Amino acid sequence: EPEVTQTPSHQVTQMGQEVILRCVPISNHLYFYWYRQILGQKVEFLVSFYNNEISEKSEIFDDQFSVERPDGSNFTLKIRSTKLEDSAMYFCASMKQGYGYTFGSGTRLTVV
Amino acid sequence: KQEVTQIPAALSVPEGENLVLNCSFTDSAIYNLQWFRQDPGKGLTSLLLIQSSQREQTSGRLNASLDKSSGRSTLYIAASQPGDSATYLCAVIYNQGGKLIFGQGTELSVKP
Repeated sequence: EPEVTQTPSHQVTQMGQEVILRCVPISNHLYFYWYRQILGQKVEFLVSFYNNEISEKSEIFDDQFSVERPDGSNFTLKIRSTKLEDSAMYFCASMKQGYGYTFGSGTRLTVV
Repeated sequence: KQEVTQIPAALSVPEGENLVLNCSFTDSAIYNLQWFRQDPGKGLTSLLLIQSSQREQTSGRLNASLDKSSGRSTLYIAASQPGDSATYLCAVIYNQGGKLIFGQGTELSVKP
């Protein structure tokens, strides 16, 4: 069964450093998303991406965040200057019209 | 504000019991509703997708129902097993390609 692949599975970074989280969505899906889950809290929407542009973003997704689809397969989330409160599990998801979402296994980001 | 609530927050049952997990949403004009399973520290696994025109979906021992007019969905698990122990998340989507809005989940523990 097709999967959404995320790397790395765990990343530790110093506060103020830039991090890039990587995702390979399912190949015939057209909608791509990033969500995050702070420990013990709800899964929160960050951004959606369709037709090579951001289609929606949440208030969490400020200027410190950016997304890219640099080639036909990868989808990345960049955090420019990490803060302690960015520590969370980050999930990538993709969707095909008429079908539900498929999520990756997540990247656990720890900012120290 | 569009919100999703899940009751109960936690549930512990002996193996073999049938159980019902509840999900309610404040805005009934949903496009789809999806149930997920999340094991500790892991990603989200899709269980069932119900489109707004459907009343229920079944997969194995799982049955999800949808009552749009009352803003409710239930997930029925038959003959529960210890392997069903996980957090179950309900999420709604309000337009094609739109974001998922998650409930806080029900943490299920099935005792042998």
